[in-house]
Amino acid sequence: GNSVTQMEGPVTLSEEAFLTINCTYTATGYPSLFWYVQYPGEGLQLLLKATKADDKGSNKGFEATYRKETTSFHLEKGSVQVSDSAVYFCALLNTGGFKTIFGAGTRLFVKA
Amino acid sequence: GAGVSQSPSNKVTEKGKDVELRCDPISGHTALYWYRQSLGQGLEFLIYFQGNSAPDKSGLPSDRFSAERTGGSVSTLTIQRTQQEDSAVYLCASSLLTRNNEQFFGPGTRLTVL
Repeated sequence: GNSVTQMEGPVTLSEEAFLTINCTYTATGYPSLFWYVQYPGEGLQLLLKATKADDKGSNKGFEATYRKETTSFHLEKGSVQVSDSAVYFCALLNTGGFKTIFGAGTRLFVKA
Repeated sequence: GAGVSQSPSNKVTEKGKDVELRCDPISGHTALYWYRQSLGQGLEFLIYFQGNSAPDKSGLPSDRFSAERTGGSVSTLTIQRTQQEDSAVYLCASSLLTRNNEQFFGPGTRLTVL
């Protein structure tokens, strides 16, 4: 079946550090891949997405590249800020499907 | 506002009581989802509605859980005879049925069962 695995948190970084949150997936066909972010006290919101292999999604300085050969969609940011502290969820939607599969989430703490 | 709204934002109830949680999706969104997020856990899919089709109830954890969507818009999630393990944040999301199916989430209802 379809599944998403992401690195366990929490991840604690200092401001301006480089961020990587690993995400790998298992799916049949050619899924679309997403990163959602949940800021403290708020609902989830879409951060970025990629719909086919080698696509790069980007938003707010975050990037993730759809790697079919390694079935990965790792989230990266070159210089994190305190305001990036949140929980990040990797997710996939399989071709023709409507049920998005979410990873367990990775909590990020950024210290000033 | 134009986003997904949920009510109440917080609900405290006693074990054994029934609760109803409400979701107002974005106008025009034909798909509606309910998820459960327990403390320190990821999102657990509960149920999915799409248009007038029969809902996908495959994620409901027991027959104490049910949901309906009236008129293709507002949805109510009902938990009967609540148990302490039902304590969680219940999230609702809606989407258009486009290929990439971005979901828009509400702020959630935090349920505490004493």
